[in-house]
Amino acid sequence: KNEVEQSPQNLTAQEGEFITINCSYSVGISALHWLQQHPGGGIVSLFMLSSGKKKHGRLIATINIQEKHSSLHITASHPRDSAVYICAVRSRSGSRLTFGEGTQLTVNP
Amino acid sequence: NAGVMQNPRHLVRRRGQEARLRCSPMKGHSHVYWYRQLPEEGLKFMVYLQKENIIDESGMPKERFSAEFPKEGPSILRIQQVVRGDSAAYFCASSPPVVDTQYFGPGTRLTVL
Repeated sequence: KNEVEQSPQNLTAQEGEFITINCSYSVGISALHWLQQHPGGGIVSLFMLSSGKKKHGRLIATINIQEKHSSLHITASHPRDSAVYICAVRSRSGSRLTFGEGTQLTVNP
Repeated sequence: NAGVMQNPRHLVRRRGQEARLRCSPMKGHSHVYWYRQLPEEGLKFMVYLQKENIIDESGMPKERFSAEFPKEGPSILRIQQVVRGDSAAYFCASSPPVVDTQYFGPGTRLTVL
């Protein structure tokens, strides 16, 4: 079993829909990251969380430390949101990131 | 403040040749991380360096791979005697001291013929 599990693996939505991507992890962490990988391959860091909730524009990230679970929400989705979304955790004992397999999101117009 | 720079963006090598991948961190960032993304797979940690020191190389293959981050100049990931299985995207990320957020470079796509 991977240390970081994401669901779903693939997600197709219509423009305007509310989207949720889930991430579960099995180790103690100091921080959780949500990343976006564009179709061209570039990676952008969206959020870093250690507790609670963060919001940036139409993106919202939440984390429940007790349940070892995080969610990434996209409100009013748009075709330009189409990308792979990756959850990554930083363990308490080091600096390395461990990544989920990613969720491929496609938003159709 | 320019972002993390990686070069080359695309690198083609024949089996047995050497590959050198360069990463220039953001200004003021003294921590560099290298990650590998094999085709159709997720990102995997390779090595974490600070200036002149390797802090964690637990993700590096035991042979043919090495990394350095000298006092001056970019961080270098070196792959000797490349094989087809080394074909992947190699990403570098940097962070300032004490701060967790990592900023990713655009990646180098290595193709081994």
